[in-house]
Amino acid sequence: GENVEQHPSTLSVQEGDSAVIKCTYSDSASNYFPWYKQELGKGPQLIIDIRSNVGEKKDQRIAVTLNKTAKHFSLHITETQPEDSAVYFCAAMETSYDKVIFGPGTSLSVIP
Amino acid sequence: EPEVTQTPSHQVTQMGQEVILRCVPISNHLYFYWYRQILGQKVEFLVSFYNNEISEKSEIFDDQFSVERPDGSNFTLKIRSTKLEDSAMYFCATSRGEEKLFFGSGTQLSVL
Repeated sequence: GENVEQHPSTLSVQEGDSAVIKCTYSDSASNYFPWYKQELGKGPQLIIDIRSNVGEKKDQRIAVTLNKTAKHFSLHITETQPEDSAVYFCAAMETSYDKVIFGPGTSLSVIP
Repeated sequence: EPEVTQTPSHQVTQMGQEVILRCVPISNHLYFYWYRQILGQKVEFLVSFYNNEISEKSEIFDDQFSVERPDGSNFTLKIRSTKLEDSAMYFCATSRGEEKLFFGSGTQLSVL
C-alpha cells in the first residue's frame, strides 16, 4: 500500500521567512496530493492540493510542487506569519477515492 | 460554509464497553471516511464507505469496529468492546466524489 514520508518533523522559522516541507510517496498509482493544516484541538483543514498532471500550484503565500518521476512533493510557505504555526500533513490518494494516506506531519512554529 | 459535524466532542468509557461515534456529513457528499489520530502521531485511515457499503478498510479496522449510515444522514463508527489502545481522536471526513476530503473537528475517545 501507499506510504508517505515527510520531513522535517519540526520546523521553526522567523516571521517573514519561508518554510519548506518535503514529502515522498511510494505508490506510483497515486495521483492526488493534498496538504492539510491542523491547529490544536481541530481537525485537518485542506489548504492546497495538486494533481499528478500538474507540476506546480500556487495560492497566495502557499505553493506546492510535484515531481512525479521522483515521487516527491513539497509545500512552500512564503512570508510566514505567527498564525501559520500548526501541524502540516502531506497526503496521497489513488484514483479510486477509497482513502487518503497521510504523512507523519511537520510541526511548524513561526517566531514573531 | 458547510461543515462536517461530529458528536460527542469527548467520550470517556470503561474498557470493554461499546461506544458509538456520530458524524453528520455535508449534505451532498457521498463518500465517508473514518480516521483516527493517537496523541502526537499521524492521522491513520480506518475505513471508507460509499453507497451503503465499505469500500476499503485498514488493518486497524478489525471485527470490533463497524460503520453504518442508519438513517441516511448520520454516519456512525461503533467500537464493540473498547480497549485501552483505542484511546485516540477519531475524525470523520466526507467528500462529494472528487478528491477533496473535509474533516470534522473530531471525537476524543478516552478508554479507562
